[in-house]
Parts: sequence; C-alpha cells; structure tokens
Amino acid sequence: AQSVAQPEDQVNVAEGNPLTVKCTYSVSGNPYLFWYVQYPNRGLQFLLKYITGDNLVKGSYGFEAEFNKSQTSFHLKKPSALVSDSALYFCAVRPTFGRALTFGSGTRLQVQP
Amino acid sequence: GAVVSQHPSWVICKSGTSVKIECRSLDFQATTMFWYRQFPKQSLMLMATSNEGSKATYEQGVEKDKFLINHASLTLSTLTVTSAHPEDSSFYICSASKGTRDSATYEQYFGPGTRLTVT
Repeated sequence: AQSVAQPEDQVNVAEGNPLTVKCTYSVSGNPYLFWYVQYPNRGLQFLLKYITGDNLVKGSYGFEAEFNKSQTSFHLKKPSALVSDSALYFCAVRPTFGRALTFGSGTRLQVQP
Repeated sequence: GAVVSQHPSWVICKSGTSVKIECRSLDFQATTMFWYRQFPKQSLMLMATSNEGSKATYEQGVEKDKFLINHASLTLSTLTVTSAHPEDSSFYICSASKGTRDSATYEQYFGPGTRLTVT
C-alpha cells in the first residue's frame, strides 16, 4: 500500500523569502506524484505533477517540486513567497497501476507580510 | 479545461433525513469519479471509486448502504447520504478522471466540495 508523509503541520515564511513544503512517499513501482492546494472551504486545485522525465517539475503560480528517488521525496518549493500563497497544501501519490490517490496529511503554509 | 462542479455547495439537514450531492464534469467525459471526505483540519480520505455504468468500489470501513453512489452517465455522479446523523457532518469532495484505465497521464480534477451539516 502507498503512503505519503508531510512532516510539518505548518510552515511559516516571510513574504519574499523562499519556501519549501516537504513530502516523502512510499509506493510500489514508479510513483506518480502530485501537489494540490486548498483554500478555505474550497476544493483542491492542481499545482503540479511528476510522472517521468526531468526531476524538477514546474507548476502553477511559480511553484516547482523536485523528485528525489533515492530519498523518496517530492518537496514543493517557490523562490519567493507571496501572502496569497497562504493555504493548505497536499502531496499525493498514485502507484503506476491504479487510479486512487493517497494524500498526505496536509501542510498549512502561512506567509507573513 | 477540465471543470468539475458540485451541488449543493453547502447543505444543512435534520438527523434521519437523506441528502443527495451531485458531481458533474462540465467539459469532459469522466470515466471514473471519486468521492472523498474531509474532516476539519484533516486530509482527504477516499470513500469510493465509481465507474460509469457499474457499481462503486468502496474503501474499507465505508458503509455502502449509508453512502449510496450512482454514476449513471459520463458526466454525473451522485452521493446520497442516507439517514444522516451529526457524525456524517463533513466536507465532501468529488473528483473526476478522463484518462483511460491506468493511463500514465491520468489526472483527477476536483470539485469545489460540499459542506454537509446534520443537526
């Protein structure tokens, strides 16, 4: 069975500083990895995904994530945080064969002005 | 684009009544739809997976007789919470996939969620 760990419940960063939201995973076979963002009382918005190819994936709103197979990690990053980036971020994994996504517990990002 | 809508966005019902939540893919045909439940400040828990025209596959611990899922067309899935109780209060989110089975480019598109409060 697959699993996702987001070790930080909350990440605080000052506006303009770089941010990192951590994610590690466990899955059999090659993983398909995703990041989603959720604003209060809203559904999930897709940010980016890793399927294959370049380990550095660029996504929406200036976010990017780096796939590290040896460390089984897929950390979300942004060079310069905005206050509007404050939200709940979920990492998710899907095995090569199968459709169900397994989500991490979520990390709340707070960007202070 | 790939837009998924849910209706209603929020609903309040009395204990013992049933509530139906609709999930629609607006601009694509969804071969598979998923229903998730999210408790406050917690992650999404998959409840069931439904393929158009066939019975839903429920996750372990989810009561299929309580959470009735119907996927009658390629653009519509419904979740009916039967005989709702306060503990069923939650945020229910659906997603839809337009990929072929096990497609490497498969992706889920999420609806905006439905907040259910049972009094």
